Amino acid sequence: DTAVSQTPKYLVTQMGNDKSIKCEQNLGHDTMYWYKQDSKKFLKIMFSYNNKELIINETVPNRFSPKSPDKAHLNLHINSLELGDSAVYFCASSQAWGTEAFFGQGTRLTVV
Amino acid sequence: GENVEQHPSTLSVQEGDSAVIKCTYSDSASNYFPWYKQELGKRPQLIIDIRSNVGEKKDQRIAVTLNKTAKHFSLHITETQPEDSAVYFCAARTTGKSTFGDGTTLTVKP
Repeated sequence: DTAVSQTPKYLVTQMGNDKSIKCEQNLGHDTMYWYKQDSKKFLKIMFSYNNKELIINETVPNRFSPKSPDKAHLNLHINSLELGDSAVYFCASSQAWGTEAFFGQGTRLTVV
Repeated sequence: GENVEQHPSTLSVQEGDSAVIKCTYSDSASNYFPWYKQELGKRPQLIIDIRSNVGEKKDQRIAVTLNKTAKHFSLHITETQPEDSAVYFCAARTTGKSTFGDGTTLTVKP
């Protein structure tokens, strides 16, 4: 009974393609996030949504567009993929500000 | 914005020894400080956290201390075991946002 689930787990695609990563949480949390973890393992926040509203957008190229159809889902669409987009993308959720974030299992994106 | 610095970037200890990882933060508005453990190929998972109104918290072999005045907090692991080997991240959280440190790769040698 996975709390935060992402699909797909692995994604290999060519430069210039458009791809989406889906995230769902069944914890009833109000807040969801997307993080990027690069090859050096640095973990950087990309977006934060609270009750379907975008709260944080951290200097991410506008090729990245999050979409939250409802409180339990936060998807990430990436246009015109570049080599530098290769990373592990983690979705996470938390009950409220200042509480533990539960991470999904990650999506390893490889752009070739 | 918030800036979190974490040291050391790598740490190697013998099994049974203690390990200490330190973080500093810049934004005095940060009020929640979680620590995450990430094993190879897995997701980050919370191991302990502390709020700004508390100076120290302990959970079995792990403890966290917070010095609000100096804006630093530390993770202490005692009696380390090989299964403690992982990447550890500190984070400082203010309204709506967590800023993570760059991680510490801890290796516990049997």
